[in-house]
Amino acid sequence: DAEITQSPRHKITETGRQVTLACHQTWNHNNMFWYRQDLGHGLRLIHYSYGVHDTNKGEVSDGYSVSRSNTEDLPLTLESAASSQTSVYFCASSDGTGVDEQFFGPGTRLTVL
Amino acid sequence: DQQVKQNSPSLSVQEGRISILNCDYTNSMFDYFLWYKKYPAEGPTFLISISSIKDKNEDGRFTVFLNKSAKHLSLHIVPSQPGDSAVYFCAASAQTSGTYKYIFGTGTRLKVLA
Repeated sequence: DAEITQSPRHKITETGRQVTLACHQTWNHNNMFWYRQDLGHGLRLIHYSYGVHDTNKGEVSDGYSVSRSNTEDLPLTLESAASSQTSVYFCASSDGTGVDEQFFGPGTRLTVL
Repeated sequence: DQQVKQNSPSLSVQEGRISILNCDYTNSMFDYFLWYKKYPAEGPTFLISISSIKDKNEDGRFTVFLNKSAKHLSLHIVPSQPGDSAVYFCAASAQTSGTYKYIFGTGTRLKVLA
């Protein structure tokens, strides 16, 4: 069965360190998205990609970067982790047709100390 | 500026009764709307959708209503079951503008009491 996975599921890091969160989908979807979920803010879009080598900034992109070298993967990098980036991160993908619902991964809980 | 708003952070309903979750939006270009359900420690899962050419869509116990003039949509769950206890997010997209992005609301936590 096709799926979308995220790793690690939990991560504790220190302020200033570089962190990369992995996202891998086997749906063969062109569109991939990264969100963060925080209390009172819902799901906020960080970065998204509509295909290989395409990346775009979302509403809360400062301090984050992504790269898309193949269809299956969209890793999210925190260049210099800050305590404000403590959050739950979700990756999602969609095929860009019809209502284009997004399929979400299980999430990564990141704590920056 | 929050383009998609869920003004009720939480809702409690008795088992068997109707649950009504509300969502308001500000962008008149939005033409597709989704509802997602999220259990703790899991990713959101797609529940039901509606496009702007319709005012109602049903799927089993779940019905979504869209009032374009009021820029308001609602999700009705009838009858509510304890397993429906979760956080519900509405999301909106302006696909005719060429975007696949969805803007999500802040969520409503539904608790169905047995």
